[in-house]
Amino acid sequence: EAGVVQSPRYKIIEKKQPVAFWCNPISGHNTLYWYLQNLGQGPELLIRYENEEAVDDSQLPKDRFSAERLKGVDSTLKIQPAELGDSAVYLCASSLVWTGAYNEQFFGPGTRLTVL
Amino acid sequence: QKEVEQNSGPLSVPEGAIASLNCTYSDRGSQSFFWYRQYSGKSPELIMSIYSNGDKEDGRFTAQLNKASQYVSLLIRDSQPSDSATYLCAVSAGNMLTFGGGTRLMVKP
Repeated sequence: EAGVVQSPRYKIIEKKQPVAFWCNPISGHNTLYWYLQNLGQGPELLIRYENEEAVDDSQLPKDRFSAERLKGVDSTLKIQPAELGDSAVYLCASSLVWTGAYNEQFFGPGTRLTVL
Repeated sequence: QKEVEQNSGPLSVPEGAIASLNCTYSDRGSQSFFWYRQYSGKSPELIMSIYSNGDKEDGRFTAQLNKASQYVSLLIRDSQPSDSATYLCAVSAGNMLTFGGGTRLMVKP
């Protein structure tokens, strides 16, 4: 079974430029998450999708970040414009279904973003 | 604010020893508890999940949960150099999964 796929793996951009990350979850997983991970810290949730619906985006900086999950499968996370502080690893994860319990999440390889 | 606390380490153990990793959490309503392993430059990999008080064993790994004391631990028996990584504790309460900052484990040959 294929795992969570993310692209690109690395991205270097200059500040104020736009950037987009793509994620394909594990087949059959209805719940998709985008996390941000800074060096030496645990992942922090940006947004959670149940199928096509964004059900938790309280931590997403909506002035510059946007996300979409068309058709309830692939998802794209966008930053426009990027700032120096956005340099981090962006992780996508998926789980079979959100139940509160038994919610095992599986992560993709991540996208390491460097903003110069 | 829901918190998950881990000692950042590094925790250094000799090869073959038992490594003990601990995690405490603040939300008494937490229902599910997970341990992830993260190698340097890689993404977190789920290695253990535990949902009820007591011990859960999987190979060399044992997860222990004590909801009354609000702590969860991970024991790694017969530690190997390949176990050297950062171990993340994650706790789920309601619709939120919160990660600790991770403990870096170093297993010395």
